[in-house]
Amino acid sequence: NAGVMQNPRHLVRRRGQEARLRCSPMKGHSHVYWYRQLPEEGLKFMVYLQKENIIDESGMPKERFSAEFPKEGPSILRIQQVVRGDSAAYFCASSPWPGTASREGYTFGSGTRLTVV
Amino acid sequence: DQQVKQNSPSLSVQEGRISILNCDYTNSMFDYFLWYKKYPAEGPTFLISISSIKDKNEDGRFTVFLNKSAKHLSLHIVPSQPGDSAVYFCAASAEDSWGKFQFGAGTQVVVTP
Repeated sequence: NAGVMQNPRHLVRRRGQEARLRCSPMKGHSHVYWYRQLPEEGLKFMVYLQKENIIDESGMPKERFSAEFPKEGPSILRIQQVVRGDSAAYFCASSPWPGTASREGYTFGSGTRLTVV
Repeated sequence: DQQVKQNSPSLSVQEGRISILNCDYTNSMFDYFLWYKKYPAEGPTFLISISSIKDKNEDGRFTVFLNKSAKHLSLHIVPSQPGDSAVYFCAASAEDSWGKFQFGAGTQVVVTP
């Protein structure tokens, strides 16, 4: 049973380019969460999605960032026109349902390390 | 607005001794508290949790204590082992937050021989 799969593991983008980060949840998990970890900081919630629905995007920057979790395929976090401040580790997590996550925690992927040059 | 705080960025402990990690929070609506462990270049791994209706939860070498009146929790690791060297994050969620967590900044634990 594969865990949460994130790819790519490392992504380098020049300022102004687009970054696409992919996350495949664990089998049977239909709830996906994205977090960002800036250097020397803890994880910050970005967005919570179910299949074809954004449930909570209160942590997403208002511009340039978007997320989706289509009926088929992985969840995608898209960052348009990247800037140096977007350099961070982006982690995806999944759970079978939110109540489980509160008691038993998520299963996190290994993250995508985005570097903007 | 940092609702979960870990004020010790690092902790060094001798192998076999007790590691005590501390965490403070400000939001009285939090009802679950979790600890995660993270190795470099890996995602966080769930370690142990505690409900706000309890004051202690134990799992093997790991015990979490919750003091609601002080809005403080701690993680005890006894005895500490070299494999415990990692970053430990405290996290909290509120009942209506749909599994969304607030994380502390983490404490780097180094277990020395």
